[in-house]
Amino acid sequence: GAGVSQTPSNKVTEKGKYVELRCDPISGHTALYWYRQSLGQGPEFLIYFQGTGAADDSGLPNDRFFAVRPEGSVSTLKIQRTERGDSAVYLCASSPQPGGASGNTIYFGEGSWLTVV
Amino acid sequence: GIQVEQSPPDLILQEGANSTLRCNFSDSVNNLQWFHQNPWGQLINLFYIPSGTKQNGRLSATTVATERYSLLYISSSQTTDSGVYFCAVEKKAPNSGYALNFGKGTSLLVTP
Repeated sequence: GAGVSQTPSNKVTEKGKYVELRCDPISGHTALYWYRQSLGQGPEFLIYFQGTGAADDSGLPNDRFFAVRPEGSVSTLKIQRTERGDSAVYLCASSPQPGGASGNTIYFGEGSWLTVV
Repeated sequence: GIQVEQSPPDLILQEGANSTLRCNFSDSVNNLQWFHQNPWGQLINLFYIPSGTKQNGRLSATTVATERYSLLYISSSQTTDSGVYFCAVEKKAPNSGYALNFGKGTSLLVTP
């Protein structure tokens, strides 16, 4: 499809396990963002990529979280030693250029629902 | 960080009614956007509006940057308008990056 694609759509994992979440942005979009949304809250910024590099990772909560975008397209969010508090929807978004500007719409995927039991 | 407050937190409307959603923010911003999250979780961009007024069909938005607030107007509401409306801002500051800071949203239910 033409939108931002995220897999898996749902993931249930045991506490302490390792998880990878994948994001396939819209073709040609240079900017890619990861957000996390907990129930009843707005999305919370995690990390932003411009091309292959993480231009801003200030939102990653701790060193158990890591993300890569090795070829400037697909990105993977990696969570080590998962905890119950990591349960949330992980949203990926992309835009043609970084930052806000008229016409530079940011497009969100449908999210990966992570449940840590 | 920048604070984003949205009101009301919840709203129930009968189909055909009008409503105004408000977003207050605590600092100068480069970027302000309104999003609609449908009941299936999909976030859709409605407006890019760091200042001024825009209209798109039954929706319009106004941002008064000097007073640090934005309003989203929904006219002649329809059941498909149900969902959560988020305001998100990007702080105007050196090295602020491009992180959008979201409010907690206004949950809207439009009944037939």
